[in-house]
Amino acid sequence: AQSVTQLDSQVPVFEEAPVELRCNYSSSVSVYLFWYVQYPNQGLQLLLKYLSGSTLVKGINGFEAEFNKSQTSFHLRKPSVHISDTAEYFCAVRAGFQKLVFGTGTRLLVSP
Amino acid sequence: DTAVSQTPKYLVTQMGNDKSIKCEQNLGHDTMYWYKQDSKKFLKIMFSYNNKELIINETVPNRFSPKSPDKAHLNLHINSLELGDSAVYFCASSIQRYYGYTFGSGTRLTVV
Repeated sequence: AQSVTQLDSQVPVFEEAPVELRCNYSSSVSVYLFWYVQYPNQGLQLLLKYLSGSTLVKGINGFEAEFNKSQTSFHLRKPSVHISDTAEYFCAVRAGFQKLVFGTGTRLLVSP
Repeated sequence: DTAVSQTPKYLVTQMGNDKSIKCEQNLGHDTMYWYKQDSKKFLKIMFSYNNKELIINETVPNRFSPKSPDKAHLNLHINSLELGDSAVYFCASSIQRYYGYTFGSGTRLTVV
């Protein structure tokens, strides 16, 4: 069965600074990887996904992630964050047609 | 225009009551899901239906019963509500052979 580990429960950062949110996964088969964002009191919105092809994936709101098969990682990055990026970020993995499994989430706190 | 809609958005009820949460999607997807998000933001799948057929049934108390009258609707009925059932319940949908899920905005259930 697949699993996801998000190493940081909370990441504080100043506005306009770069940020990286870490995600590692475990699976015995090929996987599809996702990052979702949850703003306060809202549902989950898909930021980006890796299905195949280029390992660098660009998403909405200036986010990108890089799939690294050898390190089983899918870290999320943004070169310059805004106050409005404050939210909970979830990494998720799906092995084939299996269920989508989420990590425990990373709370990104952007301060002025 | 809402893709995945859930009702109600908030539900406050007493222990022992029976309640239902409804979900509808207008995306033409063939698979629908219920996820539970606990107070620590952890997301765990509960059920999944594909074309009205139950395909995922995680270890969930049998007080929880999903019902899918057609592939655009998936309802969740909960009997004899307990304090521990308090959580946010998310409905989601996907095309089984496509790998991203679209989530509803959630139903915050509070059992008092």
